[in-house]
Amino acid sequence: SQKIEQNSEALNIQEGKTATLTCNYTNYSPAYLQWYRQDPGRGPVFLLLIRENEKEKRKERLKVTFDTTLKQSLFHITASQPADSATYLCALVSGGGADGLTFGKGTHLIIQP
Amino acid sequence: KAGVTQTPRYLIKTRGQQVTLSCSPISGHRSVSWYQQTPGQGLQFLFEYFSETQRNKGNFPGRFSGRQFSNSRSEMNVSTLELGDSALYLCASSLGRSGTQYFGPGTRLLVL
Repeated sequence: SQKIEQNSEALNIQEGKTATLTCNYTNYSPAYLQWYRQDPGRGPVFLLLIRENEKEKRKERLKVTFDTTLKQSLFHITASQPADSATYLCALVSGGGADGLTFGKGTHLIIQP
Repeated sequence: KAGVTQTPRYLIKTRGQQVTLSCSPISGHRSVSWYQQTPGQGLQFLFEYFSETQRNKGNFPGRFSGRQFSNSRSEMNVSTLELGDSALYLCASSLGRSGTQYFGPGTRLLVL
């Protein structure tokens, strides 16, 4: 069966360090993968999109990698700040977009000052 | 541009009732998707509408239905509410089908 797995345990990182979050998937052939941030009581906010033929994407302090052989995406936040504390969700689009987006359950990131 | 708006923001219903939620997408966006979010199941896809037609449907019972109007606004209806329907219902719009999702603030539904 199809599965998207993100670390369900909270990730505690010290301020200034790099936070790395993982998104693993099985039985998908994603056309592209997206990362979103969600704060408590609010809807998710789009951060980055990476396509199947791209290895890496960057935006300011954020970096996403996509390894279709390992079936894994890594999401990095460098020079992390307490304001980066939130839940981060990955989402896959497969089937040429015909199947819609499927979200992982998210990883709760806590940046400690 | 104004973001995605959802009404109402909070709702309390009792079992057996029905509920209608409304979503206004970002101007120019033709695709509207609905999601249910619960602590246990995470964000689950309900359905996607594009140009007034349902294009994708998640694995939810027929009690969950929706529609999209010619101005791209969308409504979601849940009939015969069950306790397990208590959740945050999120609407998202995008330019094209299954594109980058721009989420609204959600409607928090509590079924008693």
